[in-house]
Amino acid sequence: KAGVTQTPRYLIKTRGQQVTLSCSPISGHRSVSWYQQTPGQGLQFLFEYFSETQRNKGNFPGRFSGRQFSNSRSEMNVSTLELGDSALYLCASSPGDWGAYNEQFFGPGTRLTVL
Amino acid sequence: GENVEQHPSTLSVQEGDSAVIKCTYSDSASNYFPWYKQELGKRPQLIIDIRSNVGEKKDQRIAVTLNKTAKHFSLHITETQPEDSAVYFCAAISNFGNEKLTFGTGTRLTIIP
Repeated sequence: KAGVTQTPRYLIKTRGQQVTLSCSPISGHRSVSWYQQTPGQGLQFLFEYFSETQRNKGNFPGRFSGRQFSNSRSEMNVSTLELGDSALYLCASSPGDWGAYNEQFFGPGTRLTVL
Repeated sequence: GENVEQHPSTLSVQEGDSAVIKCTYSDSASNYFPWYKQELGKRPQLIIDIRSNVGEKKDQRIAVTLNKTAKHFSLHITETQPEDSAVYFCAAISNFGNEKLTFGTGTRLTIIP
């Protein structure tokens, strides 16, 4: 099976702009989770989508949003970018079966730089 | 919510020696504890995991132990090799937690040849 893919791999934006990142999960996986990775804060959970519904949400401001399509692909949007949003954004896919011990497979990430 | 602490933040060991990384968690509902290895510029990859009904699990040179009472779990790497150099993250999750992994802050392991 093909692994998790993310596009674009690198992105440079300026403060105040918005950005959309995309994640394609492993075929058959219905859950997509998003994480922000920074040197200072480590890996932090943003949100998780399962069957087109947001099932769980981390402690990020409303500028961070996402959605999932019927083919399980997911997008993440950040509006009104701030310098502190510069990070590696990772998505992870899993079968998402509730009650199961689901291994999460990570994509290569999108490196966002906000100038 | 869950909080995971990880120590040490950096660790250097001679090639062939053992390395131990320790994590503690706060939420007694957490019952699945994966460990991820992230090499420079690459994605995190699962190297071993343990469920709360198991005290120890081993896979070749890597082992993980879990103490549910004390809420801590550890990664043990024996006979370390240069390719073990990476950042290691522990994580905790409830299998009823809707895929929300809570990660430790990471340990940068350097193997000295």
